[in-house]
Amino acid sequence: GAGVSQSPRYKVAKRGQDVALRCDPISGHVSLFWYQQALGQGPEFLTYFQNEAQLDKSGLPSDRFFAERPEGSVSTLKIQRTQQEDSAVYLCASSLGTGGGNEQFFGPGTRLTVL
Amino acid sequence: EDQVTQSPEALRLQEGESSSLNCSYTVSGLRGLFWYRQDPGKGPEFLFTLYSAGEEKEKERLKATLTKKESFLHITAPKPEDSATYLCAVRGRGNGNNRLAFGKGNQVVVIP
Repeated sequence: GAGVSQSPRYKVAKRGQDVALRCDPISGHVSLFWYQQALGQGPEFLTYFQNEAQLDKSGLPSDRFFAERPEGSVSTLKIQRTQQEDSAVYLCASSLGTGGGNEQFFGPGTRLTVL
Repeated sequence: EDQVTQSPEALRLQEGESSSLNCSYTVSGLRGLFWYRQDPGKGPEFLFTLYSAGEEKEKERLKATLTKKESFLHITAPKPEDSATYLCAVRGRGNGNNRLAFGKGNQVVVIP
């Protein structure tokens, strides 16, 4: 596809349920990022992959959050035992290379609501 | 830690009324300052990258400028379709992983 795609676009979960959010980056993009965006806030960094390697997961808020990119393309962000504070939009972004100036292109996001 | 502060938080403009948005930043070695546009319910859309003080970039009615401490996004003769939230982000040398640090955004409404 031409851009980054994410699915599902909307997810409602009951507190305590596990959820999995998918990201399809732009074909050929080496770098993949996950961000969390609360209402009225800017995106906050969660984790970064270079190909299949997770090079930085320092932004993950707790050990309930887990991300993977096993074949260096599609990525999944998993949240276990969801809590109400996990409600947010989860954005995925990809960039072509790994250099400092590479622009990140964002997907439409997945809006997660935890009841 | 890289930090970005954007002002004003919200701005209402009459169509054709030019204005500027401010992005103040602190970063350990700037590797890029980025402007994005975000429409409700959508992901951020890339607009510009600036690398060094004095640099300017333009796209239609938008012009971004950069100094050592801040960036401005100038909107000339805005139209209603320019209504959006404009996000500023920086990438610093302190983060070897290319993560972006975002501000909260400037929410712009252009009234016909």
